Amino acid sequence: ETGVTQSPTHLIKTRGQQVTLRCSSQSGHNTVSWYQQALGQGPQFIFQYYREEENGRGNFPPRFSGLQFPNYSSELNVNALELDDSALYLCASKASGGTDTQYFGPGTRLTVL
Amino acid sequence: QQQVKQSPQSLIVQKGGISIINCAYENTAFDYFPWYQQFPGKGPALLIAIRPDVSEKKEGRFTISFNKSAKQFSLHIMDSQPGDSATYFCAANTGNQFYFGTGTSLTVIP
Repeated sequence: ETGVTQSPTHLIKTRGQQVTLRCSSQSGHNTVSWYQQALGQGPQFIFQYYREEENGRGNFPPRFSGLQFPNYSSELNVNALELDDSALYLCASKASGGTDTQYFGPGTRLTVL
Repeated sequence: QQQVKQSPQSLIVQKGGISIINCAYENTAFDYFPWYQQFPGKGPALLIAIRPDVSEKKEGRFTISFNKSAKQFSLHIMDSQPGDSATYFCAANTGNQFYFGTGTSLTVIP
């Protein structure tokens, strides 16, 4: 088990709603990344936060936004939910902004009806 | 566009056999290549990783072979065990982004 925790475990929303997912990084880690993993697919990079600033973003629309707090925990916010947003959302943390090992949390399963 | 191409999609191996999963990439800026293991309902867990200045790395039963000129790398699982049955992902990193392969579902038959 890594020290990365995520909440909630499962979430059901309807199309058009907004959702906030939360992540607590492993102790000593100041970089957090978020990924979307559709069923049967590999994780897709959404964005990364380093010392409270977004410093990398994948091919996701602006309705996917995030925050990182001074304690390095993080939130992923998704507005105007679409059916295709149904997926496992993974948070990963690492110790620096460079190329180091990421440790993943267990994920939040989001279902959009 | 898939930055990292992974094959096969699924693999069935007898207990004690060797499991081999392959990945290929195009972007020569990638400088870190990890492999992750994922069980149902869990997040991916790092197995082993390699940097492009090394051609092979071994940790226990797991070996990464890296061919920089061919832009390919592979995971070998020696003496495969039923407990190895999981989905395996290769990944590649450049800058602040990680790219994952599409995954290989490994089943080890007792």
